Amino acid sequence: DVKVTQSSRYLVKRTGEKVFLECVQDMDHENMFWYRQDPGLGLRLIYFSYDVKMKEKGDIPEGYSVSREKKERFSLILESASTNQTSMYLCASSPLWETQYFGPGTRLLVL
Amino acid sequence: RKEVEQDPGPFNVPEGATVAFNCTYSNSASQSFFWYRQDCRKEPKLLMSVYSSGNEDGRFTAQLNRASQYISLLIRDSKLSDSATYLCVVNNAGNMLTFGGGTRLMVKP
Repeated sequence: DVKVTQSSRYLVKRTGEKVFLECVQDMDHENMFWYRQDPGLGLRLIYFSYDVKMKEKGDIPEGYSVSREKKERFSLILESASTNQTSMYLCASSPLWETQYFGPGTRLLVL
Repeated sequence: RKEVEQDPGPFNVPEGATVAFNCTYSNSASQSFFWYRQDCRKEPKLLMSVYSSGNEDGRFTAQLNRASQYISLLIRDSKLSDSATYLCVVNNAGNMLTFGGGTRLMVKP
């Protein structure tokens, strides 16, 4: 069974804080993704990675950065959290050209 | 126009009913198609892929109409446990998925 884990289920941060969200997958998948999900807007892709140290911007990368130093781990960084980054963050991984498997999500509240 | 559009619902149906959802996509070059299911406050999980010839998995049937650019999901004999949000997902290039906003289904006793 594919397992994708995320470092926190719930997180509360203050405006201006630096926030790290971590995602780990145990299936040696090449691709990893970070999405955010908001009511009425669906899932939107923030960043993705096809390989170690490789990253590509998704649809809404502003205010975020990512890091992939190891194949199994993909981190999302909010350099200076803002209230409009309050959201559900979902990490996913997939083998090449195949469907994606999601982690349980992190609900982030920025005060 | 959104790339992938779905009726958000909710669809309220009694147990045992048959219910169908449609989804339209705008990119005629889209390569593959999926239905995901998302329970409240949980992550999306793959329900089924959608093939050109149509495919069935138990009570669930998915169909693709490339000419009209829509995908459908039919659920027969609805169960209470089918209550969830159903996400239509389109793969446009490589492994880039575009998600619809989801259709919420509520099955009532």
